[in-house]
Amino acid sequence: QQQVKQSPQSLIVQKGGISIINCAYENTAFDYFPWYQQFPGKGPALLIAIRPDVSEKKEGRFTISFNKSAKQFSLHIMDSQPGDSATYFCAASIKVGPLGTGANNLFFGTGTRLTVIP
Amino acid sequence: SQTIHQWPATLVQPVGSPLSLECTVEGTSNPNLYWYRQAAGRGLQLLFYSVGIGQISSEVPQNLSASRPQDRQFILSSKKLLLSDSGFYLCAWSVRGQVFGSPLHFGNGTRLTVT
Repeated sequence: QQQVKQSPQSLIVQKGGISIINCAYENTAFDYFPWYQQFPGKGPALLIAIRPDVSEKKEGRFTISFNKSAKQFSLHIMDSQPGDSATYFCAASIKVGPLGTGANNLFFGTGTRLTVIP
Repeated sequence: SQTIHQWPATLVQPVGSPLSLECTVEGTSNPNLYWYRQAAGRGLQLLFYSVGIGQISSEVPQNLSASRPQDRQFILSSKKLLLSDSGFYLCAWSVRGQVFGSPLHFGNGTRLTVT
């Protein structure tokens, strides 16, 4: 059972355009929502993250919009560049293990392959 | 700054052979450590996590095991590999004790092919 649903599977955007990736979840115990960027043959790299008590977070060209009541969140990439071409994963975090350790399990979406055309 | 090292980068092993993947973290003390597996076309799935030396928790039943012999060393092992163990294995770390969501920082992974 996929705990985090991500769409679209692939996305092609012109240079300078806006890329939008959407995710949805069901488990209200999730307490942290990061986005990761992954290039071929590399591990995922943290891009931006948001807590559920915040509706929007912006870092440079990247913005997360979060709708707690709808249990949805999205990543917007403004002024998309060819260097942004990668696979993007949304994730939702839940605490695991002993209290106070801060250990958490990330449930990932299935990824969106973004291609930015020059 | 903190860095995470994983090796080897790629590995081809026959069915029934043993496995040992190693991960080390530098620049931080007492981190939480994780092993994830990424299957083609799917997101990552947590296999094991550790909140301290010798403390291992498993999230899914499988043919694999994990150990943490030192504070910043995490090892993924198998006594006998199965074809289904093929995949991309990622080690990650997070800051211990953070109250709210703590980001995971991933290594560059090991591509394992079991033949």
